[in-house]
Amino acid sequence: NAGVTQTPKFQVLKTGQSMTLQCAQDMNHNSMYWYRQDPGMGLRLIYYSASEGTTDKGEVPNGYNVSRLNKREFSLRLESAAPSQTSVYFCASSDQQGAGNTIYFGEGSWLTVV
Amino acid sequence: AQSVAQPEDQVNVAEGNPLTVKCTYSVSGNPYLFWYVQYPNRGLQFLLKYITGDNLVKGSYGFEAEFNKSQTSFHLKKPSALVSDSALYFCAVRVNTGGFKTIFGAGTRLFVKA
Repeated sequence: NAGVTQTPKFQVLKTGQSMTLQCAQDMNHNSMYWYRQDPGMGLRLIYYSASEGTTDKGEVPNGYNVSRLNKREFSLRLESAAPSQTSVYFCASSDQQGAGNTIYFGEGSWLTVV
Repeated sequence: AQSVAQPEDQVNVAEGNPLTVKCTYSVSGNPYLFWYVQYPNRGLQFLLKYITGDNLVKGSYGFEAEFNKSQTSFHLKKPSALVSDSALYFCAVRVNTGGFKTIFGAGTRLFVKA
């Protein structure tokens, strides 16, 4: 039972390089999310997709773009990486956007920008 | 502003002793409250949630949390801590801002000493 799968798990980028984090879920969830986790700051929402075909900005969208490719897949792109984007990135999904819906997380992607 | 606070960066407890990880919230309307746990180098895992009903909520691994509306708190508790409970714990609140979103606390690191 894979749940939420994200790749790559580790990546080192040079400033200015671009890359895409891939995410897929096999739970038939409607909503998907990208968070970043930084020490002492908890998780901050970068972008989310409430349903297939829609995407919206979260708290910290600058420097990122997303694509909801289909119901299963939600990718995060860094067009020109900056050291401030060094972080751990988590993809997540939930069944729908209701109040009580639990979020399911991937294992994380550790990104270092040098 | 809607927010969730975890006032302790770290909690230390001896194995076999009861543990409490504190969480307070500030939201308009009804709060939908969650606890997640993160083990090293892993994604967050759902522990328990309060949506409505009984103020004492029981969750995974023997954890429970008590919703206290007057104190706007949702503290996580366990009667007898295990070394394996050592992890990073996140409190979260789900709010409706024209669409539901989840706000995470900064996290509390729990150390259980044998």
